[in-house]
Amino acid sequence: DAGVIQSPRHEVTEMGQEVTLRCKPISGHNSLFWYRQTMMRGLELLIYFNNNVPIDDSGMPEDRFSAKMPNASFSTLKIQPSEPRDSAVYFCASSLEGHYTDTQYFGPGTRLTVL
Amino acid sequence: KQEVTQIPAALSVPEGENLVLNCSFTDSAIYNLQWFRQDPGKGLTSLLLIQSSQREQTSGRLNASLDKSSGRSTLYIAASQPGDSATYLCAVGLGAQKLVFGQGTRLTINP
Repeated sequence: DAGVIQSPRHEVTEMGQEVTLRCKPISGHNSLFWYRQTMMRGLELLIYFNNNVPIDDSGMPEDRFSAKMPNASFSTLKIQPSEPRDSAVYFCASSLEGHYTDTQYFGPGTRLTVL
Repeated sequence: KQEVTQIPAALSVPEGENLVLNCSFTDSAIYNLQWFRQDPGKGLTSLLLIQSSQREQTSGRLNASLDKSSGRSTLYIAASQPGDSATYLCAVGLGAQKLVFGQGTRLTINP
């Protein structure tokens, strides 16, 4: 199994530009999560999908952030326009939902730097 | 609001020692608790998951305990090895797939 795949691994952009992060979950998993990790705030859940439907987006910081999951094998997290404070490592994770919270499998992350 | 705290933030011990990492949470109404490992520049790897009805889980040299009433969990690592060096995070499961993470403990095992 290839695990959760994220691209790009590193992204450097200038303030005001649009950024799109991509994620391919583990085949057969029906839940997908986007997290953000910073030194100050640690690891925070941004949004999660179940069966391609957004279930909880209460962690999305503001309207500049949007996430989609057009099918079971692909999701995107978009930031438009980007700001320096968005600099962080963004993780995607997937799980097979069963009983309550199940083990989540994390991708390697995308390190985003906004200049 | 659930808050998860891990103390200490960093720990350095010589190889071979047994050690304990601590995690505390403010609300005992949890579904489960997980311990993850994070290596530099990489994602998280789940180590152990304890359901709310359980008291502990073991995997190899790792043992995790859960005391819901006191809002505490510990991760015990036996006979530590340099390869155990990483950041260890605990996460409380609130249900509906939602996890709240602690800030982590950065562990260094010195050969």
